[in-house]
Amino acid sequence: AQSVTQPDIHITVSEGASLELRCNYSYGATPYLFWYVQSPGQGLQLLLKYFSGDTLVQGIKGFEAEFKRSQSSFNLRKPSVHWSDAAEYFCAVSRGNNNDMRFGAGTRLTVKP
Amino acid sequence: GAVVSQHPSWVICKSGTSVKIECRSLDFQATTMFWYRQFPKQSLMLMATSNEGSKATYEQGVEKDKFLINHASLTLSTLTVTSAHPEDSSFYICSANGAGYEQYFGPGTRLTVT
Repeated sequence: AQSVTQPDIHITVSEGASLELRCNYSYGATPYLFWYVQSPGQGLQLLLKYFSGDTLVQGIKGFEAEFKRSQSSFNLRKPSVHWSDAAEYFCAVSRGNNNDMRFGAGTRLTVKP
Repeated sequence: GAVVSQHPSWVICKSGTSVKIECRSLDFQATTMFWYRQFPKQSLMLMATSNEGSKATYEQGVEKDKFLINHASLTLSTLTVTSAHPEDSSFYICSANGAGYEQYFGPGTRLTVT
């Protein structure tokens, strides 16, 4: 079964600094990979997704992620963090259409002024 | 496009009563919908997969007689928490499969059982 690991429970960065959130997955074939953001008490917002093709994926709000098959990773990056980026970030993996999605434990991002 | 709604957004009920949560795909048809549960400061855990016109598939450890799921149409799935207890208090999120291998998530329903 597919699984997702987010090694960092909580990360604190200064506003304007760069950010990288780690995500590792376990799956036999090429997975469908996603990053979501969740503000307190809110639902999920899709930041970006990878299905196939170019391994560097651009998303909304200035985020990007790179799929590295050799490392089974799909790390999320942003060159300059804004205070409004403070939230919970979830990496998720799916096997494809009509298949359930498995989520990582989440990484809580705190942004220092 | 690809909007999923949930109703209600929050609900408070007394212990022992039942509560129904609706999940609707507003502008697309979804043969498959999913129900997740999220405890405070935790990740989403899949509860069940709901297929239109057939019985839901529940994840291990989820009581199917307690969490009744009905997917009567291509745009509506319902989750009924029967005989709710305080430990059922949680944030319930649904999602629906659209085209292109993507799931679209609803805004969630916060259930508090007193």
